[in-house]
Amino acid sequence: LAKTTQPISMDSYEGQEVNITCSHNNIATNDYITWYQQFPSQGPRFIIQGYKTKVTNEVASLFIPADRKSSTLSLPRVSLSDTAVYYCLVGGGYQKVTFGIGTKLQVIP
Amino acid sequence: NAGVTQTPKFQVLKTGQSMTLQCAQDMNHNSMYWYRQDPGMGLRLIYYSASEGTTDKGEVPNGYNVSRLNKREFSLRLESAAPSQTSVYFCASSEALPTGRVLPQHFGDGTRLSIL
Repeated sequence: LAKTTQPISMDSYEGQEVNITCSHNNIATNDYITWYQQFPSQGPRFIIQGYKTKVTNEVASLFIPADRKSSTLSLPRVSLSDTAVYYCLVGGGYQKVTFGIGTKLQVIP
Repeated sequence: NAGVTQTPKFQVLKTGQSMTLQCAQDMNHNSMYWYRQDPGMGLRLIYYSASEGTTDKGEVPNGYNVSRLNKREFSLRLESAAPSQTSVYFCASSEALPTGRVLPQHFGDGTRLSIL
């Protein structure tokens, strides 16, 4: 099971682009990289998933280098409503997934 | 479209009491999961069910039992509640492709359980 390492917390001003990097040195060949967002008193919500290179959707981009040992979630022009905990997960099948403590992003006015 | 529905939303128990947390999903997903989340910690997997009729232990299964009642419903039972089981419990569901790849999970809003 691939272990992930991400910063415990980050601060950003409104309107800035935020990049959160996750390290996963022992990622397996068939593993995908998935990011979730969690607001207080709610369950996690899927943001984006990727396997390699770059994936973009309406809320975020995910950058994955060729060696896949890390990934970067990019949130463009954050607002106060993006204040949340962001989790990076690596896996592909029915593994004993652990979310870890995630990255607590605080957006400042 | 309700997604994943958990009941109850809040519950207070006394040590030694039993309790079943209910979870239902309306997305026709094969796989369902139970997690617990403690303050300052991420989510830890208690049990999961890859498909109807199967269940498997996760990271922290001790003190819990599960039942995959049908494709829609997956319940979590505490037979003899302990204060250490005070937590927020989340249920989730997901689909899996024929290749074995598990697609992202959809979560309920949680059950906040306090055991005195």
